[in-house]
Amino acid sequence: GAVVSQHPSRVICKSGTSVKIECRSLDFQATTMFWYRQFPKQSLMLMATSNEGSKATYEQGVEKDKFLINHASLTLSTLTVTSAHPEDSSFYICSARDLQGRSTEAFFGQGTRLTVV
Amino acid sequence: EDKVVQSPLSLVVHEGDTVTLNCSYEVTNFRSLLWYKQEKKAPTFLFMLTSSGIEKKSGRLSSILDKKELFSILNITATQTGDSAVYLCAVEAANSGGSNYKLTFGKGTLLTVNP
Repeated sequence: GAVVSQHPSRVICKSGTSVKIECRSLDFQATTMFWYRQFPKQSLMLMATSNEGSKATYEQGVEKDKFLINHASLTLSTLTVTSAHPEDSSFYICSARDLQGRSTEAFFGQGTRLTVV
Repeated sequence: EDKVVQSPLSLVVHEGDTVTLNCSYEVTNFRSLLWYKQEKKAPTFLFMLTSSGIEKKSGRLSSILDKKELFSILNITATQTGDSAVYLCAVEAANSGGSNYKLTFGKGTLLTVNP
């Protein structure tokens, strides 16, 4: 099946610094990638939808200046958490769909555990 | 606003029991309903359902969708300790223009299977 690789799997950073998370589709082209956030014992909450070559669409309540998303190619999307604060500590997961945008499963990356100290 | 509600939120059973997990939804421009199993990290795909009344089956797991009543169930028979996980239901819906779509997740059902 299709593979989505997310890196890093775990990161600890100091408050005020920025962290970049990468999401790559390894064996298919993803016109659309999704970024989710998951707090402990809660479900996945969609943060933004990232379309290759255009600006990301953010969900209500998600600060676009804080969570910068770039989808420069059909196989790579990045999420940068800028000026991180302890409340940004969470599990971030990306998912990707194939080029044709068929109604198929969304493939998920392994997730990134971000801890801001 | 799209809404996906799963029940129960948690469930504890013994090995060999059969469980039924529920997912109801209210979305605009429904496209599909997906079930995922989440253990420690990212969710893994179980089923995608688009048509009513057609059961999808994989081993001891099966699922069915009712688009009229807007719900789906996930059945697990002869449960094993390895089935312990959070089971997530997600509904895919297109935006009003139909040019994009997103998954809305339920809160999940935490299943614990005891030996």
